[in-house]
Amino acid sequence: EAGVAQSPRYKIIEKRQSVAFWCNPISGHATLYWYQQILGQGPKLLIQFQNNGVVDDSQLPKDRFSAERLKGVDSTLKIQPAKLEDSAVYLCASSWGQGRYGYTFGSGTRLTVV
Amino acid sequence: AQRVTQPEKLLSVFKGAPVELKCNYSYSGSPELFWYVQYSRQRLQLLLRHISRESIKGFTADLNKGETSFHLKKPFAQEEDSAMYYCASRGGEKLTFGTGTRLTIIP
Repeated sequence: EAGVAQSPRYKIIEKRQSVAFWCNPISGHATLYWYQQILGQGPKLLIQFQNNGVVDDSQLPKDRFSAERLKGVDSTLKIQPAKLEDSAVYLCASSWGQGRYGYTFGSGTRLTVV
Repeated sequence: AQRVTQPEKLLSVFKGAPVELKCNYSYSGSPELFWYVQYSRQRLQLLLRHISRESIKGFTADLNKGETSFHLKKPFAQEEDSAMYYCASRGGEKLTFGTGTRLTIIP
């Protein structure tokens, strides 16, 4: 089966600029997750979708981050405006059901804010 | 709130020696525990999950509810085991990761 696709792989922007990441999950996976992984730390959940509805966005900085999954398939994560501390790898994952059998991760987008 | 603790950031082991990567969790309910691995230049991938009681690539992990631990073990380390290992706990519908342990196998 095709894996979780993410683009772009790398992005460098200046602070206060905006950026968007795209994710296409595995076909048939209803649940989609965005994680932020800062260097030296484990992945931290930003937002979780079940189909096109939000299940958990408690750790999403909503003043600057937004995400959508309009048709219940692919998803975009946006940062506007970016801060230096947003430099991280942004991982997208998807799972069958609620993830009891594990998640499948994409290769991530490495964001550098300068 | 869930918390996953991996006390060792770095672990070096000689080839052929036993490996143990420590993981402790805190969750008031009955969590589901996982180990994920990230090899150099590859994506994060599931290694094993406690509900399956499986052995993958020679690795096993036993859930110890009394000690709230889920340590990852392998009796004989191989060079290809060098990677970043993350323990994760799923409580409710949320998967929480530890900070990871970088395992280096010394030839």
